[in-house]
Amino acid sequence: DQQVKQNSPSLSVQEGRISILNCDYTNSMFDYFLWYKKYPAEGPTFLISISSIKDKNEDGRFTVFLNKSAKHLSLHIVPSQPGDSAVYFCAASESGTYKYIFGTGTRLKVLA
Amino acid sequence: KAGVTQTPRYLIKTRGQQVTLSCSPISGHRSVSWYQQTPGQGLQFLFEYFSETQRNKGNFPGRFSGRQFSNSRSEMNVSTLELGDSALYLCASKEGGPSTDTQYFGPGTRLTVL
Repeated sequence: DQQVKQNSPSLSVQEGRISILNCDYTNSMFDYFLWYKKYPAEGPTFLISISSIKDKNEDGRFTVFLNKSAKHLSLHIVPSQPGDSAVYFCAASESGTYKYIFGTGTRLKVLA
Repeated sequence: KAGVTQTPRYLIKTRGQQVTLSCSPISGHRSVSWYQQTPGQGLQFLFEYFSETQRNKGNFPGRFSGRQFSNSRSEMNVSTLELGDSALYLCASKEGGPSTDTQYFGPGTRLTVL
């Protein structure tokens, strides 16, 4: 039962263009969402988060959009840089459960 | 502040053996969570500890267990190892309040079961 899904295992984007990574969830009780980036041989690093009371959160080149009615969130990276090449995981949490449910990840490759 | 540390970084075991992995959280963090990462499965939640108490656990068999010490350090144990337990085991710490606290991950322990 995959409550958080990242249906695109990989994505290639040209340097300078926009990268859009998508994530869908099934549990309507999720109220906090996060994106993590993971390089090989390292643990995931936190990128950006969004609460269910918002529909957008921005931090520099990274913006996360949340569409609660569609149970969908997306991460936009503008402009994309070669150093952004990594695996990106979305995660969701329900208040009071003390756990995060992660998607299977999307491998982003930014081409120079 | 030092980050989350995990020991050992790499481990090779044979089927039927048991293994103990260790995690030291960021200083001041009282919550420690464990995850298993396998290709195609993403990060699967194992359990979360706060102040030596398990607050939640994922859908893993009883062979997977954990504990947390009074200094917030945590250990994870897997008994009667199976080939399918080969994975990257990640631990993450946070201050321990609500889910909105940011979770910080260690580099992981790569376990190979032969």
